[in-house]
Amino acid sequence: DTGVSQDPRHKITKRGQNVTFRCDPISEHNRLYWYRQTLGQGPEFLTYFQNEAQLEKSRLLSDRFSAERPKGSFSTLEIQRTEQGDSAMYLCASSFEEAGGPSRSYNEQFFGPGTRLTVL
Amino acid sequence: DAKTTQPNSMESNEEEPVHLPCNHSTISGTDYIHWYRQLPSQGPEYVIHGLTSNVNNRMASLAIAEDRKSSTLILHRATLRDAAVYYCILRGGTYTGANSKLTFGKGITLSVRP
Repeated sequence: DTGVSQDPRHKITKRGQNVTFRCDPISEHNRLYWYRQTLGQGPEFLTYFQNEAQLEKSRLLSDRFSAERPKGSFSTLEIQRTEQGDSAMYLCASSFEEAGGPSRSYNEQFFGPGTRLTVL
Repeated sequence: DAKTTQPNSMESNEEEPVHLPCNHSTISGTDYIHWYRQLPSQGPEYVIHGLTSNVNNRMASLAIAEDRKSSTLILHRATLRDAAVYYCILRGGTYTGANSKLTFGKGITLSVRP
């Protein structure tokens, strides 16, 4: 399977614990995105990387959240001192983007199956 | 970000066409209209996108109003596997980082009756 993979698929933790999620994008994709989705809502953007550089972070990404993409391939999202409000589906997506002019359309993002986090 | 408005839900019958509407009255001239869908217990998947002209691909067709203030995603023959949440998303055409992310609304939940 050459799609986006995420690990683990499910994580149950107690409040105050740290958790780390991994995302493996499609191999030739240079952009990697993290989104969070709560029940009944659409996904919300958290952050994205161009290769290993983190180019944008949402205000949703509090100081307890950190994301890395050390070699421009896989990425990790860590949540420290988890809170019950962190319970959500964490989605990873990837795309390949070349630099383009003002009217260039973005390529599609390919999403992984998500990691469902439950904080007790 | 420009906003889109979609009905909360829609029902259709299997093997019949489905027209999913989206309003985007504040769309700018360089905004592309993207559609993604999310099947139950899966991540979203790309469906189609367009700028001004109607677009067709193997999954669906996208009809864009002449004034671009609305669009319609058309599934030509709905199947049970098409039951999903469909998101209409505007993405800025200016190729900057700010337009890289997808801004999802609540989408429209499509139910397909056998």
